[in-house]
Amino acid sequence: KAGVTQTPRYLIKTRGQQVTLSCSPISGHRSVSWYQQTPGQGLQFLFEYFSETQRNKGNFPGRFSGRQFSNSRSEMNVSTLELGDSALYLCASSSRTGDTEAFFGQGTRLTVV
Amino acid sequence: SQKIEQNSEALNIQEGKTATLTCNYTNYSPAYLQWYRQDPGRGPVFLLLIRENEKEKRKERLKVTFDTTLKQSLFHITASQPADSATYLCALGYGNNRLAFGKGNQVVVIP
Repeated sequence: KAGVTQTPRYLIKTRGQQVTLSCSPISGHRSVSWYQQTPGQGLQFLFEYFSETQRNKGNFPGRFSGRQFSNSRSEMNVSTLELGDSALYLCASSSRTGDTEAFFGQGTRLTVV
Repeated sequence: SQKIEQNSEALNIQEGKTATLTCNYTNYSPAYLQWYRQDPGRGPVFLLLIRENEKEKRKERLKVTFDTTLKQSLFHITASQPADSATYLCALGYGNNRLAFGKGNQVVVIP
């Protein structure tokens, strides 16, 4: 079956702009989590959605938001972009929450200039 | 504060030897621990999961141990091959289904 698909793969934005990233999970998976990965901080948890409800949220400012649709597809939005938001944004899907493997997409490389 | 520590220095190892990686944590009470492999420019790929009541798990050439007293997990790759060269991430499952990752440890297998 198809894996986790993230679009776009690469994005260049200017400070102050906003951006929306998309994630299509594996068919049948209802849990979608988002992570930010940078060389200095590693993988940091942003939020998790399960059946359209946000179940968990990491320690990121309110400029970072997300949502999940009824077909489990998810989007994350970052408003008022800052240079420090440049990172690889990864989406992971799971069949359920908890002690189960997560399947990651290839990520969206966001560069803020 | 909460910390997950993996060796920041790359592990260079001869082909055929066993690579051993360490994941130490503080101020977490994980219910389970996972190991992932990440290649440059790609998302992490799940390898193994071990629960807090399990001491050891194996999958093919991979073995992971979990010591909740020492707050440590060890990850072993036996008979290492150049294709095993990658960054390996440990991740703790804790709290309300949260997953916290270490920064990863690079492994380079020398032919």
